Amino acid sequence: QQQVKQSPQSLIVQKGGISIINCAYENTAFDYFPWYQQFPGKGPALLIAIRPDVSEKKEGRFTISFNKSAKQFSLHIMDSQPGDSATYFCAARRAGGGNKLTFGTGTQLKVEL
Amino acid sequence: ETGVTQSPTHLIKTRGQQVTLRCSSQSGHNTVSWYQQALGQGPQFIFQYYREEENGRGNFPPRFSGLQFPNYSSELNVNALELDDSALYLCASSLGQGGITEAFFGQGTRLTVV
Repeated sequence: QQQVKQSPQSLIVQKGGISIINCAYENTAFDYFPWYQQFPGKGPALLIAIRPDVSEKKEGRFTISFNKSAKQFSLHIMDSQPGDSATYFCAARRAGGGNKLTFGTGTQLKVEL
Repeated sequence: ETGVTQSPTHLIKTRGQQVTLRCSSQSGHNTVSWYQQALGQGPQFIFQYYREEENGRGNFPPRFSGLQFPNYSSELNVNALELDDSALYLCASSLGQGGITEAFFGQGTRLTVV
């Protein structure tokens, strides 16, 4: 059972454009929603994270939008750069579940010049 | 770079063999989690150790086992290797169990079973 659904599977954006990746979850017990960036041959690196009591969080060019009623959250990358080309994973963690993260299937982002 | 280091970086094993992967957690972190990431997929939670005790397990068979040592470093052991065990194995460390504790991943060990 896939508890975190991520889309799109791949995304091509022009340099300077906005990249948008969406995730939906099923388990209302999730209380922490991080986004990870992964380059080939590397481990995932934490980008930004949000809790469900906040509807939006911005850090630099990266913004998470969170819709608790719809059980959806999204990552927006503003002014996308070629260096942002990587695979992005959304994840969720259940309250009281230690640090067990449930990951989405990933979005391969390519930013073209 | 996170302070989480994994060894070895690459490994090739034969079906039926056993393998041990190692993880050194970030300084001060007492919780270690292990994940399996198949090619083109998101990481899947294997299990977690907190203060040397297994504390949560994903949907993996008993031939996947682990240890955490007093210095909070950890090992993942896989017995009777199968071809489908070929994957990137990731270790993540964090401080504590609840609240907002960020998990920091190592670079992973690429295991190939032939």
